[in-house]
Amino acid sequence: KAGVTQTPRYLIKTRGQQVTLSCSPISGHRSVSWYQQTPGQGLQFLFEYFSETQRNKGNFPGRFSGRQFSNSRSEMNVSTLELGDSALYLCASSHSSTFYEQYFGPGTRLTVT
Amino acid sequence: ILNVEQSPQSLHVQEGDSTNFTCSFPSSNFYALHWYRWETAKSPEALFVMTLNGDEKKKGRISATLNTKEGYSYLYIKGSQPEDSATYLCAYYFGNEKLTFGTGTRLTIIP
Repeated sequence: KAGVTQTPRYLIKTRGQQVTLSCSPISGHRSVSWYQQTPGQGLQFLFEYFSETQRNKGNFPGRFSGRQFSNSRSEMNVSTLELGDSALYLCASSHSSTFYEQYFGPGTRLTVT
Repeated sequence: ILNVEQSPQSLHVQEGDSTNFTCSFPSSNFYALHWYRWETAKSPEALFVMTLNGDEKKKGRISATLNTKEGYSYLYIKGSQPEDSATYLCAYYFGNEKLTFGTGTRLTIIP
């Protein structure tokens, strides 16, 4: 079974731009979660989607948004980028719930200059 | 405790020695506690999902215990090997489709 894939792997953007990151979960997994990791911080929960519905959202500004498609693929979007948005963004999938073990993708490293 | 806390932050262990570290979490309304291993340049990998008080799980030389009444879990590594060098993360499931991660314990095995 193919693992979780994320594209792109690396991205450099300038302040004020917007960015879209993509995540393809393991086949059959319908729950997709997104996390942000910055130096010195643990993985910070962004949001979770199941069957195209956002079931929970972390404590991030409205510039961070996401969606999930009918094939369970998910995208997250960050608008009006700030320097502090530079981070590793990880997505994780599971069959149906974040109660169960999460399978993580390789991440997208975003640098904002 | 409202957050998930891990200790120590980092640890250096001689190859062959055993070690353990701690994850503390809220002791009320327990649902599940996850452990992940995150090696450099790789993705976090699930080790255990623990759901019952008194749970003890084992995978090779790694084991974990759970005490939901007092709100802690221990991860043990027996006979550390260089390949055990990684950051070990615990994550608490609060319900509501959200995992809250601790900041991790960075383990370095000294050959």
